[in-house]
Amino acid sequence: EVQLVQSGAEVKKPGESLKISCKGSEYSFTSYWIAWVRQKPGKGLEWMGIIYPGDSDTRYSPSFQGQVTMSADKSISTAYLQWSSLKASDTAMYYCARLSEGDGYNYYFDYWGQGTLVTVSS
Amino acid sequence: DIQMTQSPSSLSASVGDRVTITCQASQDISNYLNWYQQKPGKAPKLLIYDASNLETGVPSRFSGSGSGTDFTFTISSLQPEDFATYYCQQSDNLLLTFGGGTKVEIK
Repeated sequence: EVQLVQSGAEVKKPGESLKISCKGSEYSFTSYWIAWVRQKPGKGLEWMGIIYPGDSDTRYSPSFQGQVTMSADKSISTAYLQWSSLKASDTAMYYCARLSEGDGYNYYFDYWGQGTLVTVSS
Repeated sequence: DIQMTQSPSSLSASVGDRVTITCQASQDISNYLNWYQQKPGKAPKLLIYDASNLETGVPSRFSGSGSGTDFTFTISSLQPEDFATYYCQQSDNLLLTFGGGTKVEIK
């Protein structure tokens, strides 16, 4: 069964750096885009961007461009999301999800990680 | 960027009710529209893709329709396990956006 397993919860201080991970299994990791989705407490889903592990092609939502960096290590089927300097406003649950292609150019999230809770507080 | 306007933002309904949620795109997205269910503390779950295709294993009381800019998600007979938040999502040239969500609560 396809699985995406994310790294554990993190508690950080403002200004610190952080890298969280998402490990895929039971499918060809290099053949599907991996997306990152933010959900702030009590709020809706926000798409942050996607990375194609096969060639590390990356697309960012304009709202997150320059705020985070996505990367992937295909040798260990793992995608990463990192921050160089965290802010309190980065406190949220972060999900990774696999992107599958439907009809035409439709893309949808068919498998999700369990989420990584990031708390940024002084 | 394409904006997705989802309505209502919340609704109260009883078990057995028919529930309808709408999603409007700011421009034509053909049938590139998907629907998800999210329960508290859980990751979202895909229900409908390509506007009207039911994901494998999802009960047939869930359905979707529409194309272009206007889309509808329907639960034909609300069950206790359906109380959750529902989101639409579009994909335009790999620039993805979600609707604001609809919380379905017990009346």
